[in-house]
Amino acid sequence: GQQVMQIPQYQHVQEGEDFTTYCNSSTTLSNIQWYKQRPGGHPVFLIQLVKSGEVKKQKRLTFQFGEAKKNSSLHITATQTTDVGTYFCAGNTGNQFYFGTGTSLTVIP
Amino acid sequence: GAGVSQTPSNKVTEKGKYVELRCDPISGHTALYWYRQSLGQGPEFLIYFQGTGAADDSGLPNDRFFAVRPEGSVSTLKIQRTERGDSAVYLCASSWTGTGGYDEQFFGPGTRLTVL
Repeated sequence: GQQVMQIPQYQHVQEGEDFTTYCNSSTTLSNIQWYKQRPGGHPVFLIQLVKSGEVKKQKRLTFQFGEAKKNSSLHITATQTTDVGTYFCAGNTGNQFYFGTGTSLTVIP
Repeated sequence: GAGVSQTPSNKVTEKGKYVELRCDPISGHTALYWYRQSLGQGPEFLIYFQGTGAADDSGLPNDRFFAVRPEGSVSTLKIQRTERGDSAVYLCASSWTGTGGYDEQFFGPGTRLTVL
């Protein structure tokens, strides 16, 4: 069945360091969405990628969708304490969204 | 405007009991999703409604789980004969159309279900 894996599961960084999480799907995706979930909170939409090889930026965040539409990455430049949370990718193959296992980011001041 | 709301926020029940979890989506959103999230895991898809109909219920784990959305807005997730393994946070999300899964999903705060 469909599987979406993320690595790493946990990441601790010093404030100001960069951070990257990788998302890999076992099958080709129609599109991919990224969500952020703060501790005790619910997932909040960040962005959606649709096209093969697409790259989108949101301030310090850079999102990429692989050429084969089976992988994606989120890169944060110069992390801040406000970046703390768990980042999930969610791959779509029609009506279902398959969420990745998430990467929990801790930023040490 | 108001976001997605879910009630109750917490539900503690005994093994074997029946529970209902309610979701009020954002007004005008035609698509509604139910997910289940266990500690340290990503949301697990359960069911997707487009309007009043369940367009995809393939994520429901077994026939103890059932969901309805009779008027195309509020949805209720129903769990019969609850088991301890059902304990999780149940999340509801809605989006404008849901067609092809290209819409941003707005999540509710979730219902934390604990089965003793």
